[in-house]
Amino acid sequence: SAVISQKPSRDICQRGTSLTIQCQVDSQVTMMFWYRQQPGQSLTLIATANQGSEATYESGFVIDKFPISRPNLTFSTLTVSNMSPEDSSIYLCSAGTGESYEQYFGPGTRLTVT
Amino acid sequence: AQSVSQHNHHVILSEAASLELGCNYSYGGTVNLFWYVQYPGQHLQLLLKYFSGDPLVKGIKGFEAEFIKSKFSFNLRKPSVQWSDTAEYFCAVKGLNDMRFGAGTRLTVKP
Repeated sequence: SAVISQKPSRDICQRGTSLTIQCQVDSQVTMMFWYRQQPGQSLTLIATANQGSEATYESGFVIDKFPISRPNLTFSTLTVSNMSPEDSSIYLCSAGTGESYEQYFGPGTRLTVT
Repeated sequence: AQSVSQHNHHVILSEAASLELGCNYSYGGTVNLFWYVQYPGQHLQLLLKYFSGDPLVKGIKGFEAEFIKSKFSFNLRKPSVQWSDTAEYFCAVKGLNDMRFGAGTRLTVKP
């Protein structure tokens, strides 16, 4: 298993600004992912954070809006750029090993954009 | 694209009642199946998983799930729920290349 922490836990931001969310894993993991969970809805995968290369984005998500870094096997960041109220959501980081996609989730970052 | 359906949005049970939460998926190939649980104020935790072998899998806290390939289903069960089982439950399916989550089922157990 892996223990995942995220910072910040919550934030209130103004329209047009950017927020960077940090995700730290307590052990080296193969895969790290970023999800969005909007109120009352399921998790939507934003991208897979690849160590040493560009993230792999899901349909509907682009690097300019959600730049991701993963400088090593235990750390990743997600930036929500040029925010609008529609970006208000919970952003979750997860980590996994192997091809099974068994994932461990962080506590989430609750973002409110005003 | 594959999809995951959870039939019940909100389930309300009394303590000691039996539970079954439905999960169906659309992907026709080999799948890995998961149930995750999110207790109030806590993060998502893995409840149980199926990769291969015995289609009846047992997880933590007395939960089990049965994979029925012909029905593309992976329903979650518990014979007798407790108040502490109040939580949101998510089914997830990993197909060829990606992982999809269901919309979640909120379970409320009345003491």
